[in-house]
Amino acid sequence: EAQVTQNPRYLITVTGKKLTVTCSQNMNHEYMSWYRQDPGLGLRQIYYSMNVEVTDKGDVPEGYKVSRKEKRNFPLILESPSPNQTSLYFCASSSPGQGNEKLFFGSGTQLSVL
Amino acid sequence: DQQVKQNSPSLSVQEGRISILNCDYTNSMFDYFLWYKKYPAEGPTFLISISSIKDKNEDGRFTVFLNKSAKHLSLHIVPSQPGDSAVYFCAASRNSGYALNFGKGTSLLVTP
Repeated sequence: EAQVTQNPRYLITVTGKKLTVTCSQNMNHEYMSWYRQDPGLGLRQIYYSMNVEVTDKGDVPEGYKVSRKEKRNFPLILESPSPNQTSLYFCASSSPGQGNEKLFFGSGTQLSVL
Repeated sequence: DQQVKQNSPSLSVQEGRISILNCDYTNSMFDYFLWYKKYPAEGPTFLISISSIKDKNEDGRFTVFLNKSAKHLSLHIVPSQPGDSAVYFCAASRNSGYALNFGKGTSLLVTP
């Protein structure tokens, strides 16, 4: 089954404790992206990657890091989480030429930073 | 600054009636528009899209209308069904494949 898998689904942590949210896709997609969803703000892009070893900032990259060492994986790293990073996070992937209509989203990771 | 705007946070419609969800955009460089649907505890899923060379695209009960001069698009759902109750996100990009700009979403409730 074609899917984007995020882990964990829920995470509660404390300020300053480094964490990683994993994202993996099994569709051989070149493009991967991270979004955060906040009440009243919709979906905002954090980082994206057009291919392996190619990453770029989205609209709200501050406080986040990403890496793309393998095509299927695109982890989101919070080196020193802060309460304003409490949010619902989505990973997504697609393949060039298929357009954004083929953007597949994961089920989301609800992060709470205390 | 929000380049894609959905000014109605919520909408309630009776089953069988038409649901109309609206979206405005400010960037005249956008030429590809999409609607995504999101159920609670799930990621958004693609619903329907339209290119700027068209003014209408239809897929079953869903139709998207684009008015480029007004920088406005709308999603029509006819007839509405309770299973359509979800959050609908409007999104736009400069061309297919580029990063999407999302609106804040409209929560649709279809009542029996």
